Amino acid sequence: QSVLTQPPSVSAAPGQKVTISCSGSSSNIGNNYVSWYQQLPGTAPKLLIYENNKRPSGIPDRFSGSKSGTSATLGITGLQTGDEADYYCGTWDSSLSAKVFGTGTKVTVL
Amino acid sequence: QVQLQESGPGLVKPSETLSLTCAVSGYSISSGYYWGWIRQPPGKGLEWIGSIYHSGSTYYNPSLKSRVTISVDTSKNQFSLKLSSVTAADTAVYYCARQPETYYYDSSGYLRSPDYFDYWGQGTLVTVSS
Repeated sequence: QSVLTQPPSVSAAPGQKVTISCSGSSSNIGNNYVSWYQQLPGTAPKLLIYENNKRPSGIPDRFSGSKSGTSATLGITGLQTGDEADYYCGTWDSSLSAKVFGTGTKVTVL
Repeated sequence: QVQLQESGPGLVKPSETLSLTCAVSGYSISSGYYWGWIRQPPGKGLEWIGSIYHSGSTYYNPSLKSRVTISVDTSKNQFSLKLSSVTAADTAVYYCARQPETYYYDSSGYLRSPDYFDYWGQGTLVTVSS
């Protein structure tokens, strides 16, 4: 049972924008960095965002991250068919002394 | 380029011990970072299993802690996972990954901990079945 809650699915047409929320608490998101991962079908997860809003080299600026209080958000603009994937948030939980992941969100491009 | 590759048996019998190794290339484990294991049951989400610092200190998922051991072999540039007393619920794709270090604050002060996962292995499916 995950301590981070994400919507099961979001969808939009090509070229549009989607946002994915990740809700937690003061022991995790509220006081620690958030990262986001993209998992294309049949592949390993890939780092998209780290330290709340930083993009690794090679990740396009269509992907953005933000954090406010005990929630974080991943934004994807200019949606492409290649963005169809599962997306997970992750952070450290200070009370559990453990890494935790969100429940995951499936992005569908209509 | 940092690369990680998981290896180990794809089939384990119930009550036995699952053993996997992650070989790292393109980076020396002894130079730093945490090294972690994550699993994903078929059709389900990601679950962190545990992480080990290059010096050998570990963090484990509290729900698995009694059954998990993660170790590092700097001479072979690899780290390993052992999960004992497995059941069908442990059937999953197992991934290894590299993690930069960060710090979090609790009543003891600031403590070092594993951060995000920047490089991942391709994953290996382990099925628990007799």
